[in-house]
Amino acid sequence: EAQVTQNPRYLITVTGKKLTVTCSQNMNHEYMSWYRQDPGLGLRQIYYSMNVEVTDKGDVPEGYKVSRKEKRNFPLILESPSPNQTSLYFCASSLLPGTRNTEAFFGQGTRLTVV
Amino acid sequence: GDSVTQMEGPVTLSEEAFLTINCTYTATGYPSLFWYVQYPGEGLQLLLKATKADDKGSNKGFEATYRKETTSFHLEKGSVQVSDSAVYFCALYLSYNTDKLIFGTGTRLQVFP
Repeated sequence: EAQVTQNPRYLITVTGKKLTVTCSQNMNHEYMSWYRQDPGLGLRQIYYSMNVEVTDKGDVPEGYKVSRKEKRNFPLILESPSPNQTSLYFCASSLLPGTRNTEAFFGQGTRLTVV
Repeated sequence: GDSVTQMEGPVTLSEEAFLTINCTYTATGYPSLFWYVQYPGEGLQLLLKATKADDKGSNKGFEATYRKETTSFHLEKGSVQVSDSAVYFCALYLSYNTDKLIFGTGTRLQVFP
């Protein structure tokens, strides 16, 4: 079954304590990205990756890091989380953009609370 | 810049009512257009799409037509069910300019029996 798997689903942490949200896809997709979803703002892209070792900033990258050492995995790292990073996070994967039929597949989301 | 505007929700309907969720876009090129649906506690999943003007996307009784002249992609369903209760996101993708989907803010649909 084609899927994008994120872990954990829920996380409560304290300000400044480093955390990693993992994301893995089994569709051999080149393109992966992270979004955050906030009320009234929809989904905003944090970072994306076109392939292994190729990453770039999205619209709201401040306070986040990513890595793409393997094609299937794209972890999101918060080195020093702050309360304004409390949000619902989604990982997504797709074939490389450039095709008009590009469909993104999303994970189930990680609800992060930073206190 | 490129953007998507959706009607604000929540949209509250009785079962079997007709649904319209408005979506308009601003884009400098010729985007592909998508509707994604997010059921409670789940991630987004593609509902339907259209890649060029006058295309109609359809799935699960939902339809949307790509209208270039009005830059719109309104979502419609003739008879909603309680199980359609979810958040619906309109999105566009421009292959030449950006490597991302641009989403609207989402519209929550609540259907009551």
